[in-house]
Amino acid sequence: EPEVTQTPSHQVTQMGQEVILRCVPISNHLYFYWYRQILGQKVEFLVSFYNNEISEKSEIFDDQFSVERPDGSNFTLKIRSTKLEDSAMYFCASHSQRNSPLHFGNGTRLTVT
Amino acid sequence: SQELEQSPQSLIVQEGKNLTINCTSSKTLYGLYWYKQKYGEGLIFLMMLQKGGEEKSHEKITAKLDEKKQQSSLHITASQPSHAGIYLCGADQTGGFKTIFGAGTRLFVKA
Repeated sequence: EPEVTQTPSHQVTQMGQEVILRCVPISNHLYFYWYRQILGQKVEFLVSFYNNEISEKSEIFDDQFSVERPDGSNFTLKIRSTKLEDSAMYFCASHSQRNSPLHFGNGTRLTVT
Repeated sequence: SQELEQSPQSLIVQEGKNLTINCTSSKTLYGLYWYKQKYGEGLIFLMMLQKGGEEKSHEKITAKLDEKKQQSSLHITASQPSHAGIYLCGADQTGGFKTIFGAGTRLFVKA
């Protein structure tokens, strides 16, 4: 069964550094998402992306965050200058149509020191 | 904005016992999802409910959506250690481009 893959599984970075989290959604999916989950807390929506543009973003997704679909397969989340509070598990998800179940990757655990 | 409240926050049951997890929405639900998450892993889709009164089952797990479409329950019959994990309900935001999630219910099954 096709799956969403995320790399790396774990990223450690120093405060102020830029990080790029990578995702390969399922190939025929059209809608892409990033969520984050701070340890022990809720899964929070960050951003949705469709037709090469952001469809919706949350208050968390400020100017330090950006997303890109540089080619036909990858979907990336960039954090320009990481803060300690960015430490979390970041999940990529996708689906082929709205109002259908999301398929999630296994996440990237980001640790900012 | 819409909020999903789950209860209980955590649950410890003896293997073989039945259990129920609830999800209540602050607004009418137009698509309600149940997911399971194991520690440190992604969310695995279990079931989707859309119609008031709808009920779906998969193996020993049954999910229901009430007639008013503001509450859903997930029932596990004869729990097993493999059922342990975090169960999350999710809902599509009307007119939006996102699924929101409840805080999750942590299930522990004692062998």
